[in-house]
Amino acid sequence: GENVEQHPSTLSVQEGDSAVIKCTYSDSASNYFPWYKQELGKRPQLIIDIRSNVGEKKDQRIAVTLNKTAKHFSLHITETQPEDSAVYFCAASSTGTASKLTFGTGTRLQVTL
Amino acid sequence: DTGVSQDPRHKITKRGQNVTFRCDPISEHNRLYWYRQTLGQGPEFLTYFQNEAQLEKSRLLSDRFSAERPKGSFSTLEIQRTEQGDSAMYLCASSLARGNPTDTQYFGPGTRLTVL
Repeated sequence: GENVEQHPSTLSVQEGDSAVIKCTYSDSASNYFPWYKQELGKRPQLIIDIRSNVGEKKDQRIAVTLNKTAKHFSLHITETQPEDSAVYFCAASSTGTASKLTFGTGTRLQVTL
Repeated sequence: DTGVSQDPRHKITKRGQNVTFRCDPISEHNRLYWYRQTLGQGPEFLTYFQNEAQLEKSRLLSDRFSAERPKGSFSTLEIQRTEQGDSAMYLCASSLARGNPTDTQYFGPGTRLTVL
C-alpha cells in the first residue's frame, strides 16, 4: 500500500518568513495530493491540492509543487502570519483506491512574532 | 451549516461498552469515509461507502467495528466491546465522485472517544 513520509515534524518561523514542508510517497500510481490544515481541536481543512497532470499550483500565499519522478511534493507558505500556526498534513491517493487518502504524520508550524 | 457534521462530538465510555457515532455528509455527496486519528498522527483510513454500499474496509477495522450507510445519506460507526486502544478521534469525510476518482474530501469535526 501507499506510504507517505512528511518532514519536518515541527517548524518554527518568524512572521513574514517562508515555510516549506516536504512529503514523499511510495506508490507511483498515486495521482492526487491534497494538503490539510488542522488547528487544535478542529477538523482538517483542505488548503490546496494538486493532481499529477500539473507540476505546480498556487493560491495566494500558498503553493504546492509536485515531482512525480522523485515521488515528492512540497507545500510552500510565503509571508507567514500567526494565523498560519497549525498542524499541516500532506496526503496521497490513487485512482485504484477510490480516493482513499494516506496521510503523512503532520508538521506543526509555529509562526512567531 | 452545510458542512459535514458528526454526533456526538465527545464520548466517554467504560471498557467493554458499545458506542455508536453518526456522520451526516454534505448534501448530495455520494462518497462517505471514516478515518481514525490518534494524538500526533495523521488520520488513518477505516472504511468508505459509495452511496449505501460499503466498498472497502481497512485491516485496522477489527470485527468489533461495523459501519452502515442505510439510505446512502448519513452513516453510523459502531464499536462493540470497546478497548482502551480504541481511544481516538473518529473523523468522517464526504466527497462527490463525478467520474474523476480522485475527488476532494471534506472532513467533519470528529468524535473524540475516550475509553476508560
